[in-house]
Amino acid sequence: EIVMTQSPGTLSVSPGERATLSCRASRTVSNNLAWYQQKPGQPPRLLIYDTSTRATDIPARFSGSGSGTEFTLTINSLQSEDSALYYCQQYNNWPLTFGGGTKVEIK
Amino acid sequence: EVQLVESGGGLVKPGGSLRLSCAASGFTFSSYSMNWVRQAPGKGLEWVASIGTSSSYIYYADSVKGRFTISRDDAKNSLYLQMNSLRVEDTALFYCARVRETRQYPSFHFDYWGQGILVTVSS
Repeated sequence: EIVMTQSPGTLSVSPGERATLSCRASRTVSNNLAWYQQKPGQPPRLLIYDTSTRATDIPARFSGSGSGTEFTLTINSLQSEDSALYYCQQYNNWPLTFGGGTKVEIK
Repeated sequence: EVQLVESGGGLVKPGGSLRLSCAASGFTFSSYSMNWVRQAPGKGLEWVASIGTSSSYIYYADSVKGRFTISRDDAKNSLYLQMNSLRVEDTALFYCARVRETRQYPSFHFDYWGQGILVTVSS
């Protein structure tokens, strides 16, 4: 099983600043990496797939990068509505696995 | 509008069974691989099972293999999860989720999710 490790556990960022979230895979997942946003009481929302492709209707301030085992989700010009949990997920191998999540807080 | 609506959850004793359903609408259900993902209270996401179009392939997480069965009925636009021999650690919100692509072997990331249904396993 590929273990996905996200860091930091919590990120506190001021509005308008940049948030950088990391996701590391225990072995290569090529570019088969997705990012989701989850707000309290809501299901996850697909943000990014194939490492860097924004899903439908996702604002351009969200971007993804990386390859192999190291991946990054960047949120530019952080807005109050970006306060949420963020999960990465690999789909290169079965079983599909998620990271433990990063909580983004607005200062 | 794509909609996924889960039902069938509830409180069950350890060792008991439940059958979850997911009613799909707003898209051609038969063209998409479908999935169950769960989230224990206050915890992260855990993939449970996936089923291909025409039930051409099925995958399970090790934690549920041999106890859970995923199935689909394309005529009813519905996805199911039969859960047997339930354990306390199966307590979670169970989500039905659709893959983004209509290929027979798509990339398994999920673009639409239901609101989830709570399963509580407790004596």
